[in-house]
Amino acid sequence: DAMVIQNPRYQVTQFGKPVTLSCSQTLNHNVMYWYQQKSSQAPKLLFHYYDKDFNNEADTPDNFQSRRPNTSFCFLDIRSPGLGDAAMYLCATSRDRPFEWTNPPRQFFGPGTRLTVL
Amino acid sequence: DQQVKQNSPSLSVQEGRISILNCDYTNSMFDYFLWYKKYPAEGPTFLISISSIKDKNEDGRFTVFLNKSAKHLSLHIVPSQPGDSAVYFCAAKQSSGDKLTFGTGTRLAVRP
Repeated sequence: DAMVIQNPRYQVTQFGKPVTLSCSQTLNHNVMYWYQQKSSQAPKLLFHYYDKDFNNEADTPDNFQSRRPNTSFCFLDIRSPGLGDAAMYLCATSRDRPFEWTNPPRQFFGPGTRLTVL
Repeated sequence: DQQVKQNSPSLSVQEGRISILNCDYTNSMFDYFLWYKKYPAEGPTFLISISSIKDKNEDGRFTVFLNKSAKHLSLHIVPSQPGDSAVYFCAAKQSSGDKLTFGTGTRLAVRP
């Protein structure tokens, strides 16, 4: 089945120790997204790739970086995790196409990686 | 600034009854609205959507209503089933661009 896969599902890191989360997709979608979701809060978009074009949200901290080496894979790098970076990190994909009012655009989400910072 | 708001963090409904989940938005540029459903340990999955050119969209037991003047939408589930127990996220976007703005979610519990 075509899907969005995130590894690992649970990640524990130490304060200040760099960590990388990975996402892969078999949907062949050209857009990939990274969201951060803290407890009882809305998923918050960090950045997204439109093909190889990187689009950073204005309020995403510099501590967060991303790489997309090919269509299938996208990585989230947290250079120096702080306690406030503990959260669920969600990867999503979509296929960019002209907007159609009757054909909904939608994003497909992976199961998420829960990051704990000690 | 929360542009999409789900003011009820939780809702409990008896099986067979109607569940109504509400969502308000502040950005008048939003013209497409989606509902996602999330089970524990899984990612959100798309449920139903509506564009601003319509005021109602129905898919089986799920109906979404949009009131543009009030900047309000609601998701109706009827009849509710125990398998509907999940967190429901409202999301909004502009027709141009890829960005989804999410609400904080409503946890629905359907009691047998």
